[in-house]
Amino acid sequence: DGGITQSPKYLFRKEGQNVTLSCEQNLNHDAMYWYRQDPGQGLRLIYYSQIVNDFQKGDIAEGYSVSREKKESFPLTVTSAQKNPTAFYLCASSGTPLLNEQFFGPGTRLTVL
Amino acid sequence: LAKTTQPISMDSYEGQEVNITCSHNNIATNDYITWYQQFPSQGPRFIIQGYKTKVTNEVASLFIPADRKSSTLSLPRVSLSDTAVYYCLVAPGGGNQGGKLIFGQGTELSVKP
Repeated sequence: DGGITQSPKYLFRKEGQNVTLSCEQNLNHDAMYWYRQDPGQGLRLIYYSQIVNDFQKGDIAEGYSVSREKKESFPLTVTSAQKNPTAFYLCASSGTPLLNEQFFGPGTRLTVL
Repeated sequence: LAKTTQPISMDSYEGQEVNITCSHNNIATNDYITWYQQFPSQGPRFIIQGYKTKVTNEVASLFIPADRKSSTLSLPRVSLSDTAVYYCLVAPGGGNQGGKLIFGQGTELSVKP
């Protein structure tokens, strides 16, 4: 059963702590993405990776870091430098070069106390 | 990337046809029009994509006039389960833009019994 998994679904952290969000896909997709969504807003692109060992900043990369050591995994670290980290984080992947179709995971809701 | 404008919200009743129009006046020659659906606390789901004229799949139809400055997503005979946020996106086809899909605020569709 192919898809994208994100864990955990809910995450609570104290202010000042780094936290890593997991994203795994078994769709054999080359490209993976991280988005952030705030209440009542659209999605904003944080980082994306088109191939293993390469990634690019999106529109709101400050305070975040990623790695892409394996094709199926694209973890996102929310660092203490991120001023307002509480949000809904969505991971996506894409393997269709001629179609703007991205497959999204279920999301992780991060709350920083 | 072309900016899109769509209504913030729409109301409908079960069994009606719903048409959501999106304006994209500065669409480029190589841009495609893509629509996504998002339920609360879930990732968006690809619905349909088109370049010109009409595209139909098992879920929806997409109407694009000759000047391509707008598009209309048509949902036939909506049900309560179609209550969601619908995003109109305009981006170059070919998937070689690093996943730079811009999700605006979307249209919140509410279907009532």
